[in-house]
Amino acid sequence: QSALTQPPSASGSPGQSVTISCTGTSSDVGAYNYVSWYQQHPGKAPKLMISEVTKRPSGVPDRFSGSKSGNTASLTVSGLQAEDEADYYCSSFAGSNNFVFGTGTKVTVL
Amino acid sequence: EVQLVESGGGLVKPGGSLRLSCAASGFTFSHSWMSWVRQAAGKGPEWVGRIKSKSDGGTTDYATPVKGRFTISRDDPENTLYLQMNSLKTEDTAVYYCTVYTYGTMQSWGQGTLVTVSS
Repeated sequence: QSALTQPPSASGSPGQSVTISCTGTSSDVGAYNYVSWYQQHPGKAPKLMISEVTKRPSGVPDRFSGSKSGNTASLTVSGLQAEDEADYYCSSFAGSNNFVFGTGTKVTVL
Repeated sequence: EVQLVESGGGLVKPGGSLRLSCAASGFTFSHSWMSWVRQAAGKGPEWVGRIKSKSDGGTTDYATPVKGRFTISRDDPENTLYLQMNSLKTEDTAVYYCTVYTYGTMQSWGQGTLVTVSS
């Protein structure tokens, strides 16, 4: 199972928006609405930010939103804040009780 | 508040074995599906496997790289999840996280425990 493809980096100034893509195949992202996004600060465990493509867990700011079109999912962070600087990973259910994660995107707040 | 605390990591030689534990609290462990995810240094996370709740059959599924070598089990009265790792390879070196699994999502994560496989 190949990893989902994410851009290595993305950046924006405070207050701006940044969108991260996550490209899979018709066997994972395109087949299921079980795409999640995780935020990871250095030396910390990943934290769930978006589940089931668009759902935001309790406590996650509404600046974070998710979407999907075909085999590509996206995470948008609006109104960038300094604390949003982190690595972001997508994941998708891939059938046959298997999961695949993305390659990761480092978001820098300029 | 969900708390997951992994333990049992360490240095082991190739071909060796190790058992990881994950102590759970703050939620109904016995009703929860659980999973293990690992992350090698500088890499993205990699799903290792999952165990269903006993009421849903208690069955397990594993990623291809660990199938036949790793075994996930649970002790519901002790609120503890386990990962037995046998025939370890250098490529198994990673931080191992236990997570609460719900609807195709790793909902909550522990702080992780480092496993290093090296001679």
